[in-house]
This record gives sequence, C-alpha cells and structure tokens, in this order.
Amino acid sequence: DVKVTQSSRYLVKRTGEKVFLECVQDMDHENMFWYRQDPGLGLRLIYFSYDVKMKEKGDIPEGYSVSREKKERFSLILESASTNQTSMYLCASSLGLMVGEQYFGPGTRLTVT
Amino acid sequence: AQSVAQPEDQVNVAEGNPLTVKCTYSVSGNPYLFWYVQYPNRGLQFLLKYITGDNLVKGSYGFEAEFNKSQTSFHLKKPSALVSDSALYFCAVRDTMNYGGSQGNLIFGKGTKLSVKP
Repeated sequence: DVKVTQSSRYLVKRTGEKVFLECVQDMDHENMFWYRQDPGLGLRLIYFSYDVKMKEKGDIPEGYSVSREKKERFSLILESASTNQTSMYLCASSLGLMVGEQYFGPGTRLTVT
Repeated sequence: AQSVAQPEDQVNVAEGNPLTVKCTYSVSGNPYLFWYVQYPNRGLQFLLKYITGDNLVKGSYGFEAEFNKSQTSFHLKKPSALVSDSALYFCAVRDTMNYGGSQGNLIFGKGTKLSVKP
C-alpha cells in the first residue's frame, strides 16, 4: 500500500511566523502535490513537483514556496503566515502524471492566529 | 478551460437504497476521470477512475461510475447504500489536451456530502 505521511495533523501558528509542512511518500513516486482544502471551494493546487529539485506553480501559489531535495519528501513553506492561510493542507503523490491516481496524506489542519 | 461540476452540495439517502452522486465535466480533449472519498478528518481516498474502454467502471467498496461522453458526465453509483458510506465525495478530471506546465494536473469538483440514514 502507498503511504503518504504528513508531519503534523494539527498546527497552530501566529501571524508572521514561518511555517514548514512536510510530506513523505514511500512508493518512489515521481510526482508530488500540495493542495489546500476549504469548505465550498474543494481542493486547490498550490504547487507540484514532477522530479527532485523541480517545482511548478499550481493555481494559488502566492504566499507559499516548496522544496524537494529528495524524491520521497516534499515540503510546503509559508514564509510569513497570515490568517487567510488557515486551512486544511493535503499532500499527494502519484506514479504516472497522466493516468496515475493520486494518493493523499491525512492532511494538516493549520490555524493561523 | 477544463472544469468539473458537482451540482449537489448534499445527497441524502436511506440505508439500503441506491445512491447517485452526480458529476459533469468540461475538457478540450478526452478526459481522464476520477472519484475520491474523504471521511471526516482524513485525507482523500481513491475510489475509481476512467481512462478508456468500458464506460462502466467498478471501484472500491462496491461503488461504480458510468462515463457518458455525450452528456459529459461521470456519475458515481452504488446499488445499496450503507451508513458507513456517509462521507464527502470528490470528482476530478484530467484533460489530455491540456499541454504545458499544468498538464496532468487534476481539477477537483467542490465535493458532495453524502448522508446515509439508517
């Protein structure tokens, strides 16, 4: 079974703090993704990566950056957290970019106060 | 532009009755279609996908979905609902004609909450 793990299930941070969310997958998948999920808006893609050290912007990259130094690990960074970044963050990985389904981690519920 | 619509925010079904969760899509080329389920405070779990071939796709937990090209729909179905099927369901599409940096990205619908009552 594919396993995608995220470093925290719940996180509370203050406005202006730098926040790191980490994601690890154990199935040697090339592709990794970061989404945020908000009620009524579904899932929105923040960034994705199709190889080590490669990254592409998704639909809502503003205020975020990412890092992929190793194939199994994809980090999402909030340089200066703001209250409008309070959300559920979901990491996913996939083997094939076109036909492969994505496997999701359990999510990190981030609250910025 | 590619898009996915789930027209119902919530679907209520009695246990044992058939259920349908609706999904329609809009793409430039041929679609790759996916259904995911999300239980409370959990990540999304893959249920099934349509890539090509038979229009009726069978997936996990007794779910199936029918691809209808003329109606651009991919509705999720189950013959007999269980209380444990209560969850949030997401339809997603990938446009095979969408080239460029976002090729291969999934576009998700807003989700449909399924409530199955005993």
